[in-house]
Amino acid sequence: AQSVTQPDIHITVSEGASLELRCNYSYGATPYLFWYVQSPGQGLQLLLKYFSGDTLVQGIKGFEAEFKRSQSSFNLRKPSVHWSDAAEYFCAVGALGNFNKFYFGSGTKLNVKP
Amino acid sequence: DADVTQTPRNRITKTGKRIMLECSQTKGHDRMYWYRQDPGLGLQLIYYSFDVKDINKGEISDGYSVSRQAQAKFSLSLESAIPNQTALYFCATSENDGGGNTGELFFGEGSRLTVL
Repeated sequence: AQSVTQPDIHITVSEGASLELRCNYSYGATPYLFWYVQSPGQGLQLLLKYFSGDTLVQGIKGFEAEFKRSQSSFNLRKPSVHWSDAAEYFCAVGALGNFNKFYFGSGTKLNVKP
Repeated sequence: DADVTQTPRNRITKTGKRIMLECSQTKGHDRMYWYRQDPGLGLQLIYYSFDVKDINKGEISDGYSVSRQAQAKFSLSLESAIPNQTALYFCATSENDGGGNTGELFFGEGSRLTVL
């Protein structure tokens, strides 16, 4: 069955510290992987995506993610967190030709301490 | 102005009432979606439409119906609202599959529905 797991419901980091949000997926076809961010009161915005090629992808706002096929993971990272990064982050998986079938993780809420 | 606009942004209603959530988009995309977000559950797909004449059920379509009035408009209806339909509802759009399709979903700001 297709699924996306984000094992951390809440994470708190200090401003300036590094961040890693975990995402594991189960998907039968070649996965297309996405990270979205949801700021309070807002819709979701795409941070980055992986389709193929280089397994380390860069996104907006200084985020990056690494696709590891052997671990079925697509973890999101940022070297130095800013207070404005406080939001909820969603990992999603889909497939070209079947983008109606996106599967979203349950989200990780990030708090940033001053 | 937002590319994907949802109305109303907030609605409180009573059990048994009919509710319509509206979505309009200026992105020119053919594909439109309605998702439901519950705390701890992420987003679940209710219905999706690939063009005006194509409407499909998603994972959790029971109790919901949709109407694609035009390429730019996609409405979600709850014919007889019940309390467990209390949730945050998102409309989203995407480009067609094919050359250049990035797979990205573009979301509205959400419609928070409370059913008492």
